[in-house]
Amino acid sequence: AQSVSQHNHHVILSEAASLELGCNYSYGGTVNLFWYVQYPGQHLQLLLKYFSGDPLVKGIKGFEAEFIKSKFSFNLRKPSVQWSDTAEYFCAVKSNTGKLIFGQGTTLQVKP
Amino acid sequence: SQTIHQWPATLVQPVGSPLSLECTVEGTSNPNLYWYRQAAGRGLQLLFYSVGIGQISSEVPQNLSASRPQDRQFILSSKKLLLSDSGFYLCAWSVIEAFFGQGTRLTVV
Repeated sequence: AQSVSQHNHHVILSEAASLELGCNYSYGGTVNLFWYVQYPGQHLQLLLKYFSGDPLVKGIKGFEAEFIKSKFSFNLRKPSVQWSDTAEYFCAVKSNTGKLIFGQGTTLQVKP
Repeated sequence: SQTIHQWPATLVQPVGSPLSLECTVEGTSNPNLYWYRQAAGRGLQLLFYSVGIGQISSEVPQNLSASRPQDRQFILSSKKLLLSDSGFYLCAWSVIEAFFGQGTRLTVV
């Protein structure tokens, strides 16, 4: 069965610290991978997506993610976080059947 | 450009009453459509998805059903609401990435 697991539920960082949020999925077929962000009181917003090609994808606001097929992982990274990055982050996997599922989310709190 | 409309934004319903939440998409054809329930600390739980008219995949057995009577219309329903149906429901459409409606806060009393 298709599933997504995000390892960190709540992360607290100071400004300028580096960020890495883990995401692993299980699915035997071809997948499309996404990271979404939800700022307080706002809708879900796409950060970045992976379909094919270069496994290192860059998104908005300085975020990037690396797809490692052998590890079924798609971890999100940012070299230096800002207070404005405080939000909830969701990893998502879409299979070739069209099914799109999300991880349970990671709450990031950045302290100024 | 594509837009998604989901209504109502908030809803208070008594236990045992029926439910109908509607979602419509404009500006795209034959999108995948999704209903999710979002709960704090539990992410987005996929309830139903549809890849075409009349095609519904149910992910979580529960007191809800979904229908897609038209290409760009997706309806979430219940014949008799339970207290446990209270929550925040999101509709989404996707051709590549997903785009979300504003959500419906349902309170069953």
